[in-house]
Amino acid sequence: GAVVSQHPSRVICKSGTSVKIECRSLDFQATTMFWYRQFPKQSLMLMATSNEGSKATYEQGVEKDKFLINHASLTLSTLTVTSAHPEDSSFYICSARDGSGGDIAKNIQYFGAGTRLSVL
Amino acid sequence: AQKVTQAQTEISVVEKEDVTLDCVYETRDTTYYLFWYKQPPSGELVFLIRRNSFDEQNEISGRYSWNFQKSTSSFNFTITASQVVDSAVYFCALSEYYMEYGNKLVFGAGTILRVKS
Repeated sequence: GAVVSQHPSRVICKSGTSVKIECRSLDFQATTMFWYRQFPKQSLMLMATSNEGSKATYEQGVEKDKFLINHASLTLSTLTVTSAHPEDSSFYICSARDGSGGDIAKNIQYFGAGTRLSVL
Repeated sequence: AQKVTQAQTEISVVEKEDVTLDCVYETRDTTYYLFWYKQPPSGELVFLIRRNSFDEQNEISGRYSWNFQKSTSSFNFTITASQVVDSAVYFCALSEYYMEYGNKLVFGAGTILRVKS
């Protein structure tokens, strides 16, 4: 299957700093990437959908100024948590979908390994 | 609205037992896709299977099998002769054809499977 690389896998930072998380599709072009947040023992919560070359679409309740998403190329999307606070501590997962097949609904989302963010 | 229900929060079995994870979905669409993902303790979601709404044939892959019943809106996942390495959280998800641009995946709450030796 396709490979999605997410970096870093873990980050610990002080309150007030910004953290950037990278998501790369290694062997396919991802026209769409997704960013999720997962709390302990809970399901994935979609934060935003990122399309290459356009602004991200944020889910209701997600602060776009707090979670900046950039999808500058077909293989890279970044999530920046700005001015992080302890309540932003969570597990963030990205996924990438190959949009080259017409019926995009059927296309599989391949997930990165996730980033565990701890804000002190 | 789309919804995926995994009623089993946690299941514990002893190695070599068979186990079935339930998934029930709701959708107004006639064309949709169902997925199962596995999330081991490492955190990465691993794609297991995709099924489209027009294909009700059951599928078997090694010790894994899936039963898609459109009449009951269910897409259950069975692991035969479970192994400790099967311990993980398993997510069922739904994608609709006519959803707005982006075709989001709707995930169930997940089922924690613990396989004891």
